[in-house]
Amino acid sequence: SSELTQDPAVSVALGQTVRITCQGDRLRSFYANWYQQKPGQAPVLVIYAKNNRPSGIPDRFSGSNSGNTASLTITGAQAEDEADYYCNCRDSSDNHLEVFGGGTRLTVL
Amino acid sequence: QVQLQESGPGLVKPSQTLSLTCTVSGGSISSGSYYWSWVRQPAGKGLEWIGRIYTSGDTNYNPSLKSRVTMSVDTSKDQFSLNLSSVTAADTAVYYCARVIRGTHYASGSYDFYYYYMDVWGRGTTVTVSS
Repeated sequence: SSELTQDPAVSVALGQTVRITCQGDRLRSFYANWYQQKPGQAPVLVIYAKNNRPSGIPDRFSGSNSGNTASLTITGAQAEDEADYYCNCRDSSDNHLEVFGGGTRLTVL
Repeated sequence: QVQLQESGPGLVKPSQTLSLTCTVSGGSISSGSYYWSWVRQPAGKGLEWIGRIYTSGDTNYNPSLKSRVTMSVDTSKDQFSLNLSSVTAADTAVYYCARVIRGTHYASGSYDFYYYYMDVWGRGTTVTVSS
């Protein structure tokens, strides 16, 4: 089982705002990254170090953190945002290992 | 623009060693302070971090795989590799290689912690473990 917990599935109406969450104690200490994965494709980095967007990622994607919960927010979800989303962060201060959340399947209605 | 491409056998027999190579193009594997990772994904399941290597050869491995994993880097060929020994059907997955950036978080002007993120990914290669 993953030590970063994500809801298995979330849905959002087209054009509305959706928040995808990731919970885990390590998020109190380390930044979360978020990856988008569409069927049959490799993951794509959409948010890194809590709230930074790589070049080319639309500004409707944003990240935040509160306590042991990291969030990915899509403001004005588009049909092309339908995908699986994975959070990821360092494992602990004693090592430089990484863990992934179990993933959230986002459906845009 | 840097691109990554995984290569290796698509079929491996149980108990044998899975060997994959990731070729870096559009830039040198030694340029910049990048790390290089492997991630895998069984069909219909989530992502699993396998490990990370620096061009110096320093490595970090997932504890659940550590006894069976070896990563190496060949800077002359701009390649890094993954060896996973004693494979079973549970190792059947799509294997991805990725470029890793390490950032530093400072608190009150002093080092606090390092963080990592994977900014460039290969397309992935499917490996099936079966006799």
